[in-house]
Amino acid sequence: DGGITQSPKYLFRKEGQNVTLSCEQNLNHDAMYWYRQDPGQGLRLIYYSQIVNDFQKGDIAEGYSVSREKKESFPLTVTSAQKNPTAFYLCASSLSGGPRSTDTQYFGPGTRLTVL
Amino acid sequence: DQQVKQNSPSLSVQEGRISILNCDYTNSMFDYFLWYKKYPAEGPTFLISISSIKDKNEDGRFTVFLNKSAKHLSLHIVPSQPGDSAVYFCAASDYSGYALNFGKGTSLLVTP
Repeated sequence: DGGITQSPKYLFRKEGQNVTLSCEQNLNHDAMYWYRQDPGQGLRLIYYSQIVNDFQKGDIAEGYSVSREKKESFPLTVTSAQKNPTAFYLCASSLSGGPRSTDTQYFGPGTRLTVL
Repeated sequence: DQQVKQNSPSLSVQEGRISILNCDYTNSMFDYFLWYKKYPAEGPTFLISISSIKDKNEDGRFTVFLNKSAKHLSLHIVPSQPGDSAVYFCAASDYSGYALNFGKGTSLLVTP
């Protein structure tokens, strides 16, 4: 079955530690995205990647880093510089990441990160 | 600055009746709009979309209406079913945008 997987579903980390969230897709999509959702809030864009080996900052990139070495994978690292990392993190992908992405974005199941 | 606004945090509707979820936007450059449905602790699921060249799009029980002059769109669900109970997000993009702008969501509860 084609889809987007995120692992783990729940993640606990101590303050000051870096943590990497996994996102894999087998939809053959070019574009991938990371969003963050906080209670009572919409989804806010952290990073996006239109194509392999390229990525761009979204609205709230500070304290996060990404890589896109393979088409299928777009891992997100939450660094110790992120002041409020506890949130629900969602990965998405779309067929095209061109200048005008009208393609529907499909989301993974999400990872809930709690920093203790 | 929230460019996509869903001013009703919650909505309760009886099973079989119509659910109307509203969304307003401020950016006149937005030309593509989507609705997503989200259950707790899960990723959003795409529901329906509409391009600005249209004012209505239907898919089964779901219809989205777009009023460009008012910068307003709405999602109608008829008839509403208990399984429709979820949070509904409105999202929009513009020609130069690479990603979506989301509203804060409306929590729909359909009661038997």
